[in-house]
Amino acid sequence: GENVEQHPSTLSVQEGDSAVIKCTYSDSASNYFPWYKQELGKGPQLIIDIRSNVGEKKDQRIAVTLNKTAKHFSLHITETQPEDSAVYFCAADTGRRALTFGSGTRLQVQP
Amino acid sequence: NAGVTQTPKFRVLKTGQSMTLLCAQDMNHEYMYWYRQDPGMGLRLIHYSVGEGTTAKGEVPDGYNVSRLKKQNFLLGLESAAPSQTSVYFCASSSGTGDEKLFFGSGTQLSVL
Repeated sequence: GENVEQHPSTLSVQEGDSAVIKCTYSDSASNYFPWYKQELGKGPQLIIDIRSNVGEKKDQRIAVTLNKTAKHFSLHITETQPEDSAVYFCAADTGRRALTFGSGTRLQVQP
Repeated sequence: NAGVTQTPKFRVLKTGQSMTLLCAQDMNHEYMYWYRQDPGMGLRLIHYSVGEGTTAKGEVPDGYNVSRLKKQNFLLGLESAAPSQTSVYFCASSSGTGDEKLFFGSGTQLSVL
């Protein structure tokens, strides 16, 4: 089955700096790569996703890049704000409609 | 519009006891999922359903059973709870019409003593 590895497990940045979270996947058949944000005491929420036919996607301060050859994808957050503090999960799907999640990254933005 | 609702929010069980977690969604979604979340392990898929009356095993199905008798409900059962099943359980749903976005409930904190 699919295996998704996520790094780093914790990340601390100063407000206004950029944050980058990286994931690798094992199954070359995976074609859908979403990122979820989980705030304390809540369920995860989708923040951005990318499909295998696209190399990069942006949504305001958030961007995701995908390298199919290397089987890795990354989340980039620019101009970080305290409200970006949360746990972020990457995931991959081969089309079975059953996501495999990474282990999560706890991002802390220091004011 | 409530989205995905999970009950109960908290539960403490003794080893060997049974219980059922209920998930209800009001978005007419075809797909429903049960995940468990453990520290350092992310979210792991237990079982899922692609439509009313169907269920399928996920990554960690052992010790759990599920039922999808109605489209809006997805039940997760523990027949004989074990301490290894102490976890936070999340239900999620998606439309099944090409949009793969998952909508999650707020979770159930389960402790098995």
